[in-house]
Amino acid sequence: DSGVTQTPKHLITATGQRVTLRCSPRSGDLSVYWYQQSLDQGLQFLIQYYNGEERAKGNILERFSAQQFPDLHSELNLSSLELGDSALYFCASSVEVWGRGGNTIYFGEGSWLTVV
Amino acid sequence: DAKTTQPPSMDCAEGRAANLPCNHSTISGNEYVYWYRQIHSQGPQYIIHGLKNNETNEMASLIITEDRKSSTLILPHATLRDTAVYYCIVRGNYGGATNKLIFGTGTLLAVQP
Repeated sequence: DSGVTQTPKHLITATGQRVTLRCSPRSGDLSVYWYQQSLDQGLQFLIQYYNGEERAKGNILERFSAQQFPDLHSELNLSSLELGDSALYFCASSVEVWGRGGNTIYFGEGSWLTVV
Repeated sequence: DAKTTQPPSMDCAEGRAANLPCNHSTISGNEYVYWYRQIHSQGPQYIIHGLKNNETNEMASLIITEDRKSSTLILPHATLRDTAVYYCIVRGNYGGATNKLIFGTGTLLAVQP
């Protein structure tokens, strides 16, 4: 158990709909990362938040958005869903100390999204 | 972040040591080498990381060459449960909170009974 909690574990929804995936980071971790893994792609970095602020953006579509709340949990919002958005979505967290590297990123077990 | 090169697949006999190589010839001085593994559709699992020196923990050993251009992950006694995709990742240490992990295609390690 990594200590990163993701809900829901499985979700089936129709095209055009909107869903929200939730992530609770490990206690004390200020950074939250979101990744997407579909069958034909590897693990793709989407976005990172640090203590409530967006810190890095990857291959995240405009239909997707994320936020990190004051209690440090994060949500990934996926809208106008398409069949191709079916994937595993992972959340990860880490302690990041300014000026110090070598911190470990821990991953949750993922949320399976199926768009039909 | 520096790019890494790993063989796409490897086999290992159960009970033997599994040695997984990784090339990272463009690594810079402040970049760490991280290893993760992903067992089918589970979340990536942290294994070990290092900067210059060899490292060992309860899961594995990491051997980094002196010039830091390559490394080897060693699983000392592989079991069937070690069958997974293993990712070698070079991660920057930029003194701020932007040190994301960029995954490549990894090595599929198949442990054979």
